[in-house]
Amino acid sequence: DAGVIQSPRHEVTEMGQEVTLRCKPISGHNSLFWYRQTMMRGLELLIYFNNNVPIDDSGMPEDRFSAKMPNASFSTLKIQPSEPRDSAVYFCASSFSSGGGQPQHFGDGTRLSIL
Amino acid sequence: AQSVTQLDSQVPVFEEAPVELRCNYSSSVSVYLFWYVQYPNQGLQLLLKYLSGSTLVESINGFEAEFNKSQTSFHLRKPSVHISDTAEYFCAVSDLWTGGYNKLIFGAGTRLAVHP
Repeated sequence: DAGVIQSPRHEVTEMGQEVTLRCKPISGHNSLFWYRQTMMRGLELLIYFNNNVPIDDSGMPEDRFSAKMPNASFSTLKIQPSEPRDSAVYFCASSFSSGGGQPQHFGDGTRLSIL
Repeated sequence: AQSVTQLDSQVPVFEEAPVELRCNYSSSVSVYLFWYVQYPNQGLQLLLKYLSGSTLVESINGFEAEFNKSQTSFHLRKPSVHISDTAEYFCAVSDLWTGGYNKLIFGAGTRLAVHP
């Protein structure tokens, strides 16, 4: 079975540019999560979607970050304009439902470097 | 708010030795507990989970974890490690009462380094 698919795997861009990260969740999963991982802050939940609707965006750092889920099989995380402090590994995860015991399945991440 | 503490940031161990990675969480009415493993340049993979029932849970590759409610702990153990177990291990708790969904609160991670 295909897992969570993220693209690109690596992104290097200059400060001020727009960055778009993409995620395809596991088919049949109705919950999708975006995380950011850094050495300093560890894993941080940015946003949670349920049935394509953003439910919890309290972790989104600031207005430069936005996320969409236009359909059940695709989500994007956009940073505009990007800053060096946005450099991190961004993970997308999905789960079958939002029940408390449901495990989340992670993609391999996008390593983002802002110069 | 729920929190997770992984007491060791790094654990060096020799191959075939036993290992324990410690995890404590803050108290809650009802929690679900997970261990994830992250190999270099990869995402997190579910290693094992505790939802209810037997307090000892096992993974397919020889790891086990024991849920201890009185000590609010969920330590991960393996009786004999392999070089291939070298990775970062994350303990996580899902507290349905916080946020109303399977929000995961992660510990800071423990880097397990297995030496020959």
